[in-house]
Formats: sequence, C-alpha cells, structure tokens
Amino acid sequence: DSGVTQTPKHLITATGQRVTLRCSPRSGDLSVYWYQQSLDQGLQFLIQYYNGEERAKGNILERFSAQQFPDLHSELNLSSLELGDSALYFCASSTRTSQAGELFFGEGSRLTVL
Amino acid sequence: GENVEQHPSTLSVQEGDSAVIKCTYSDSASNYFPWYKQELGKRPQLIIDIRSNVGEKKDQRIAVTLNKTAKHFSLHITETQPEDSAVYFCAPSNDYKLSFGAGTTVTVRA
Repeated sequence: DSGVTQTPKHLITATGQRVTLRCSPRSGDLSVYWYQQSLDQGLQFLIQYYNGEERAKGNILERFSAQQFPDLHSELNLSSLELGDSALYFCASSTRTSQAGELFFGEGSRLTVL
Repeated sequence: GENVEQHPSTLSVQEGDSAVIKCTYSDSASNYFPWYKQELGKRPQLIIDIRSNVGEKKDQRIAVTLNKTAKHFSLHITETQPEDSAVYFCAPSNDYKLSFGAGTTVTVRA
C-alpha cells in the first residue's frame, strides 16, 4: 500500500460525458501528479500540483482540467469524453517540489468510454 | 523536450539468467535516474534509483549503472525469478521535468 488513494477504481461512461477522478496523496506529501496510461502504452504525464498551485504541465488536453484543494487532495476532470480517453489514470504523490524524487502511485482509476 | 528511449522493448530470459535494460536520454540537466516496475494490473513502484553524483548502485539482485557523459543508464537484474516478470520504466528527471520511457516488458521463463 503506497498510501495514495484513488477513487473510483473503475468507471464506465458514454462519449460526451464528464467525469471526475479523485486522489488523496500520502500524508505529508505536498506534490500530486496525474498520469494517463492507455492500453500497452507508457505513462503520459498530464499535470503536477504542489501545495495547491500548478507546478508543471504535460500533454494534458484542453478538455481535461485538474486542481488541488487546501486539504491537498486533487481532482482530475475529464469532459466531452471520447473513446480514446479510455485509459488507466494514475495519481502519484511525493514530498518534493521538484520532479527529481520518488513518486508513490495510487492503484489507478480505470476509465472506459463507450 | 526530453527524448527518452528504452531498449529492448521486450525481453525474455530463462529463470536464473541476467536481464539488462538500457535507457538513453537527451536532457543533460537530468540529475535523477529511477527505475519503476509495474506488474500486470498494478501500480508502478520504484525499485531502484541513482543520482548524478554516483555511477552505480546495487540492491540485492538489482543494480543501476549511470554514464552521464554518454547520457544513458541501465537496469541490471541478476538471477532472475518468475516474480521479476513485469514492465520496467526508466524515468530520467531534473527538478522541473520527468519523462518516462516507453517501458520494457520482461518475461522470465521457468
């Protein structure tokens, strides 16, 4: 158990819909990262937050948005869903501001868009 | 941006043999070099890491070697066991950017 909690574990929805994925980082970790992993694909970095502020941005689509709340949990919002958005979405946390440190991953949220 | 390449993309080894995966990166500012293991259906987990002031690090059957001049680092697994079967990702990074490699699928044959 990494200490990072993600909900929901599985989500099935239709094209055009909107979903919210939630992540609670390890106790004391201020940084939260979101990654997308499609079938047989690597880990695509989406976005990083540190203590409530956006720190770094990767290949995140405009239809996607995220935020980190004062209690440090984070939410990833995916809207106008397309079939290609079906993937495993991982949240990770770390103690550091920088990306040069160990990331602790949650179990992931598997999104299926039909 | 950072260009990260892992080779090979798949690796099949006999149980007890060694496995080596190489990760080549382009960003000379990279100063942290981890390897993550992802078992089927599970989350990625750090298995070993090295920082740029060290050339080699070992942890039991696993080792990482770094060649900063040539911009590559490698994962070495000795005496492979069935539980080593997984996808392995390198993730060279600096303070501002981390890039995962595409992954290497390792299969250990009994």
